[in-house]
Amino acid sequence: QSALTQPRSVSGSPGQSVAISCTGTSSDVGAYDYVSWYQHHPGKAPKLIIYDVNKRPSGIPDRFSGSKSGNTASLTISGLQAEDESDYYCSSYAGSYTFWLFGGGTKLTVL
Amino acid sequence: EVHLVESGGGLVKPGGSLRLSCAASGFTFRNAWMSWVRQAPGKGLEWVGRIKREIEGRATDYAAPVKGRFTISREDSKSTVYLQMNSLNSEDTAVYYCASGVGVTDFDYWGLGTLVTVSS
Repeated sequence: QSALTQPRSVSGSPGQSVAISCTGTSSDVGAYDYVSWYQHHPGKAPKLIIYDVNKRPSGIPDRFSGSKSGNTASLTISGLQAEDESDYYCSSYAGSYTFWLFGGGTKLTVL
Repeated sequence: EVHLVESGGGLVKPGGSLRLSCAASGFTFRNAWMSWVRQAPGKGLEWVGRIKREIEGRATDYAAPVKGRFTISREDSKSTVYLQMNSLNSEDTAVYYCASGVGVTDFDYWGLGTLVTVSS
């Protein structure tokens, strides 16, 4: 069982929007605005797509957005495209003892 | 373009040791915090540890499951970070990724990973 809880899978049709949740506790997600999201195509290097809850690195399309409410962070992908089909992971800073926690990953299927 | 290439993975017996390397390019290595993250088969990602810059004394931090058994070091002249793993057990079986923190987070860029299998 991973430290942060993500749904195992989500799906959506091209052009639709999907949201992936990442639930932690008041000691990690709820305590810090250091939530990140990564896209991981099998066999490739994980790629940072959201950091500090809702910021996008250079080159990441604005179809990807992040938010947080309480102990739950969310990644929303709008205007789904076939190439968005991938595994998505969240991470959160958890203080100077535990440091970093990750989620178990969510498989996004584009129907 | 940033590249991180891990190497050194393989099959090791319980109780054994292994040293992983991660060669970096495409950024100023000495300015980066370098981390190791692993993924056990069928599981999520798990932070292993990190090493700060030389000007920060190359300070290291480790996750509880590996503290005292794993050691992270760096060689800035070679743009390489290492993960020395001792007293390995089956729960250490995983793909090990290195990640660089050069800008916005500890995990701005990642490598492809290297597989470590601990089995008799």
